[in-house]
Amino acid sequence: GAVVSQHPSRVICKSGTSVKIECRSLDFQATTMFWYRQFPKQSLMLMATSNEGSKATYEQGVEKDKFLINHASLTLSTLTVTSAHPEDSSFYICSARDSRDWEDTQYFGPGTRLTVL
Amino acid sequence: AQSVTQLGSHVSVSEGALVLLRCNYSSSVPPYLFWYVQYPNQGLQLLLKYTSAATLVKGINGFEAEFKKSETSFHLTKPSAHMSDAAEYFCAVSHAGYSTLTFGKGTMLLVSP
Repeated sequence: GAVVSQHPSRVICKSGTSVKIECRSLDFQATTMFWYRQFPKQSLMLMATSNEGSKATYEQGVEKDKFLINHASLTLSTLTVTSAHPEDSSFYICSARDSRDWEDTQYFGPGTRLTVL
Repeated sequence: AQSVTQLGSHVSVSEGALVLLRCNYSSSVPPYLFWYVQYPNQGLQLLLKYTSAATLVKGINGFEAEFKKSETSFHLTKPSAHMSDAAEYFCAVSHAGYSTLTFGKGTMLLVSP
């Protein structure tokens, strides 16, 4: 149980294009999902908290117009990197919290490697 | 505010030796504590968690951790390392009613034959 998937696992795009990453909770409902960014050999940096049916909450320093988050259902959140630039290249990881879990455990997806040329 | 300190960015052990990865936390309220493992180019997998029940927590793959309030620690141990344990390990803290995790910087475990 508690499986989270991400798609795509790897994407290469040209500078200036937009890329959408999907995060799905496969066997549970997730009122809350999270998006992280991880640079090589570093820890995870929380970008935003995504709540189903409402606007995402972005961490300080994260551009909400550049990283669009949509959480339209209890099992799906999407992150769209708009007008991507090489500095947006990174490993993006989502996590989801089971709505029934009072212990606030986050289950993580396998990550998406974004390379912007 | 809450924070996590993982002592040692790299820990090297021989196969069969004891694994000890250190984690100290800071939290103004009773914490929830987690250990996650990350293999190269993969997401994080939950190893174990402490959420105010038993202070000695057993997880997957033979790992366990003990919550010590007096020392504000939650160190991860395994009696005998396997080559397959080589990975990055992250300690994280949260607390009831606040679902955001605060991660430590991670510890890379290296296992030699």
